[in-house]
Parts: sequence; structure tokens; C-alpha cells
Amino acid sequence: EVQLVESGGGLVNPGGSLRLSCAGSGFIFSNAWMNWVRQAPGKGLEWVVRIKSKSDGETIGYAAPVKGRFTISRDDSKNTVYLEMNSLKTEDTAVYYCATGRVLDIWGQGTMVTVSS
Amino acid sequence: DIVMTQSPDSLAVSLGERATIHCKSSQSVLYSFDNRNYLAWYQQIPGQPPKLLIHWASTRESGVPDRFSGSGSGTDFTLTISSLQAEDVAVYYCQQYYSVPCTFGQGTKLEIK
Repeated sequence: EVQLVESGGGLVNPGGSLRLSCAGSGFIFSNAWMNWVRQAPGKGLEWVVRIKSKSDGETIGYAAPVKGRFTISRDDSKNTVYLEMNSLKTEDTAVYYCATGRVLDIWGQGTMVTVSS
Repeated sequence: DIVMTQSPDSLAVSLGERATIHCKSSQSVLYSFDNRNYLAWYQQIPGQPPKLLIHWASTRESGVPDRFSGSGSGTDFTLTISSLQAEDVAVYYCQQYYSVPCTFGQGTKLEIK
């Protein structure tokens, strides 16, 4: 079964840091482009970041609101992609989904990140 | 950045009737190299992650009912549900994957009239 499972969400103070993980199974992870997409409570979808496969140069692209604060990485030996989030702001509060592909064809269930004092 | 604008924001349609959602991009998402429109449609049922319905503007994902269809090219696109079923109540999003950032429309909430 093709599956993505996110973990690492939680409550963090403004200015704090958090690392999210997304483990994939049931597909060739090393060939997959991996994305993070977030959804603030009651709001729409916001694409956050993407990392291409190693064979496509592991090129990374960030959305402007997170550039310089968030860092995506991947460990193909563990079938896992990470999102390191620093200098967190209240507006980063959201469910964070990981999703595969140039077109987002497989999605995880999401992990909630709450930035609040 | 490419801005995606959907209309309407919400829509109420009777069961069995047609539902139409529009999506407009601020610049063309048609890539001349391969003549493909880099446009996808997603369905999000409340409490669930989004689900890919259509990519390349008109290619239905495997397992998606054929009452869902996508059309359009360049900057103007449409998602049509030919005969609305109760399980189609959801929020629908368009997204361009022509360039980074891969922006979404604001969503269209579809309800039963």
C-alpha cells in the first residue's frame, strides 16, 4: 500500500523550532519529488516547499513566507523527508501535509503545528 | 508568482445537476515545449487530506469517477461535475505546477442545494 506518514508536530512558542518527518512506503521513494503543503485552521491550501529526487539534482524551491526559516531535506536510505522549521511565527500554525510528485498525487494525513505562547 | 483565482467561492447545486468551477491563472501555465497545461484539480472532503482528481488540466486520475472532467488551456480552466452526487460535497482547489511556488487557488466550497 502506498502511504505517507507525517510526524513531529506539536505546540511551540513563537521564535521556536520544530522538525517534521514524513516517511514513505509502497513506492520507490528515491525517485519521488517530495513536497510540504500546509493548511491553516479553516483556510485553504498553501504550498510550502519541494525537493526533487537525487536523479533530478535534489533541486529545492520554497514559498516566500518560509524562505530562510524552513529547510527541507531527504534521506532516501530511510524513505523519509524532513522539514526543519526555525523562527516560527503564529501564522505558521497549520496542518502540515507531505505529498509526492510534481503533481501531488499521494498525500499523508498531516501533522498539526501550533505556534502560540 | 502565479496567482490562481477560482470562482465562485461557494456553490450550491441540486443532486443530479451539473456543477462548474472556474480557475484562472495570472499567467499561462501552458508549456510550449510539451504543449501541456501544468494545472491540477484536488478535492478535499472535510477532515481528510486533499485528493488529486485531475492533472494536465484534463487527465482524470485513476479511480476518479468519469462525472468529473477538466478543460481549458493557457490561463482559463474549468472543473465540471456532470451529475452531482452526495459524496461530492467538498472543497475543490486548482493548482499550477508550471513554476515554483506551486500555487493553489483559494478553493471553492461545493454544497447540495
